[in-house]
Amino acid sequence: DTVLTQSPALAVSPGERVTISCRASESVSTGMHWYQQKPGQQPKLLIYGASNLESGVPARFSGSGSGTDFTLTIDPVEADDTATYFCQQSWNDDTFGAGTKLELK
Amino acid sequence: EVQLVESGGGLVQPGRSLKLSCLASGFTFSNYGMNWIRQAPGKGLEWVASISSSSSYIYYADTVKGRFTISRDNAKNTLYLQMTSLRSEDTALYYCARRAGLLGYFDYWGQGVMVTVSS
Repeated sequence: DTVLTQSPALAVSPGERVTISCRASESVSTGMHWYQQKPGQQPKLLIYGASNLESGVPARFSGSGSGTDFTLTIDPVEADDTATYFCQQSWNDDTFGAGTKLELK
Repeated sequence: EVQLVESGGGLVQPGRSLKLSCLASGFTFSNYGMNWIRQAPGKGLEWVASISSSSSYIYYADTVKGRFTISRDNAKNTLYLQMTSLRSEDTALYYCARRAGLLGYFDYWGQGVMVTVSS
């Protein structure tokens, strides 16, 4: 299975820029997607195909990367962005990262 | 508006069976592959099973292979997950999700249904 590694937690102040990383154990080309999950809610698609913004998602969110290293960027961060962010690859079956919990200072 | 509504969860003893349903609306159900994804309490997401639009292709995670069966009824716009030989480690919130695009991301998710396996 392709293992996705994410940093467990980040804390930033509103208005700052934050990058959340996801590293794959093998190449997934651009088959990487990002989701936001707030407590008590289902995951919400933010970015698909590594860098494509899902319709309705604010342009503050962006994604980049290919192969094994990927990044989700939020710029600027807002209070409502407090959530856990998951990466998912669909290139080699489907696996998810363990999630990065984003907290605001 | 796309909606996915899961049902059928509950408390079940180890070794018993349970069948989940996911009623879809707001889109042409028969055009999309569908999936079950679960999340154990306080944990991350685990893909469980996938079924193609016409049921021609079905895949399972190794953790459920041989115990779970995914199916669909396109006439009823409903996705199913038959779970047998349940174990405590199957305790989780089960989501149904629509797969979209050539890259196969999950663009819509239901609210989830809780399955608790305990004696």
